[in-house]
Amino acid sequence: GAVVSQHPSRVICKSGTSVKIECRSLDFQATTMFWYRQFPKQSLMLMATSNEGSKATYEQGVEKDKFLINHASLTLSTLTVTSAHPEDSSFYICSAFTQDEEAFFGQGTRLTVV
Amino acid sequence: GENVEQHPSTLSVQEGDSAVIKCTYSDSASNYFPWYKQELGKGPQLIIDIRSNVGEKKDQRIAVTLNKTAKHFSLHITETQPEDSAVYFCAAKNTGFQKLVFGTGTRLLVSP
Repeated sequence: GAVVSQHPSRVICKSGTSVKIECRSLDFQATTMFWYRQFPKQSLMLMATSNEGSKATYEQGVEKDKFLINHASLTLSTLTVTSAHPEDSSFYICSAFTQDEEAFFGQGTRLTVV
Repeated sequence: GENVEQHPSTLSVQEGDSAVIKCTYSDSASNYFPWYKQELGKGPQLIIDIRSNVGEKKDQRIAVTLNKTAKHFSLHITETQPEDSAVYFCAAKNTGFQKLVFGTGTRLLVSP
């Protein structure tokens, strides 16, 4: 299957700092990528849809100023958690669709804000 | 919008038994139904998918069936092994929208 690479896999940051998470499609181009948040023992919650060359579309209730998304190329989308607080601690996962409309996911990023 | 329900939430089987997980969807326009396996601390891994123009698809020990009339689809795992233990998610999508709508997940435990 196609490969989506997410980096870093784990990050610990201090409260008030910003953290950037990268999501790359390694063997295909993705005009659209998705960012999810997952709480323990729960399903994936879509945060936003990242569109190459244009603004991201955020789901209701997701603060766009806190979760900045940039999709500067057909293979890279980034999620920046700004002014992180302990309640932002979570598992963040990105995904992208191939031309065959199959969705592949990154390995996920465990963010811990202390 | 689309709503996907998944059952059971937990499933325990003995090694070698079969496991079946069922999902129902609400939007008759949905036409793509993937299944994902998620191991602890990792991202979901696509294990099999089915499109609305077929009723069944098989890949070794894994099969998916789709009943468009009843709007439900199921994952079947035969000859289960301990390494099949994970959380499984179903999802549904319409080609008109690219968002996947996920079920709530099934925690499968295969005991040796």
